[in-house]
Amino acid sequence: EVQLVESGGGLVQPGGSLRLSCAASGFTLRNYWMHWVRQAPGKGLVWVSRINTDGSSSNYADSVKGRFTISRDNAKNTLYLQMNSLRADDTAVYYCARAGGAAAPVYWGQGALVTVSS
Amino acid sequence: QTVVTQEPSFSVSPGGTVTLTCGLSSGSVSTSYYPSWYQQTPGQAPRTLIYNTNTRSSGVPDRFSGSILGNKAALTITGAQADDDSDYYCVLYMGSGSWVFGGGTKLTVL
Repeated sequence: EVQLVESGGGLVQPGGSLRLSCAASGFTLRNYWMHWVRQAPGKGLVWVSRINTDGSSSNYADSVKGRFTISRDNAKNTLYLQMNSLRADDTAVYYCARAGGAAAPVYWGQGALVTVSS
Repeated sequence: QTVVTQEPSFSVSPGGTVTLTCGLSSGSVSTSYYPSWYQQTPGQAPRTLIYNTNTRSSGVPDRFSGSILGNKAALTITGAQADDDSDYYCVLYMGSGSWVFGGGTKLTVL
């Protein structure tokens, strides 16, 4: 069974940093592209970033470009999202998701809440 | 910047059929956008219903189907049930590695 478990969320001050982790099990992480998607309280889903199978290529939404970095450690079966220069509007539940056919997000974790507030 | 459009809300009677759409503020959706559809209830992670236009995700009943209708992607739910009362999101591949979600449709079954 595919399982994705996010961790590392919490309360951080504006301008601060946080690193989310996503532990993968039930499949071979190195075979799949991976995504991060976020959802602000009461709002819709927003795509954040994706990374290819070996970590050599990544893409970002304009709203996080230059501040967030996606990475992966296939040996540890773990996906990461390093978030720097955090702003109040980064407050959201962050989901990691495994890509399926045509690389869209298909399998989802339960999410990690990140709150940016002073 | 191109916006992905969805109906903000829709209602359907139990047992009825409803088609939700996913369009672009400029241009037409085709299979090259690899449209996918997700269902989400409050407090829960999204559940994938359809990916790559019309491929049903594992465990999704065949009451849910995806297609291209005219210039939009479409999600059709037949035989609507009470637990279909949820938010539905589509996502499109916009090229250059980026994906964009629609704003979501709140479906009410009553």
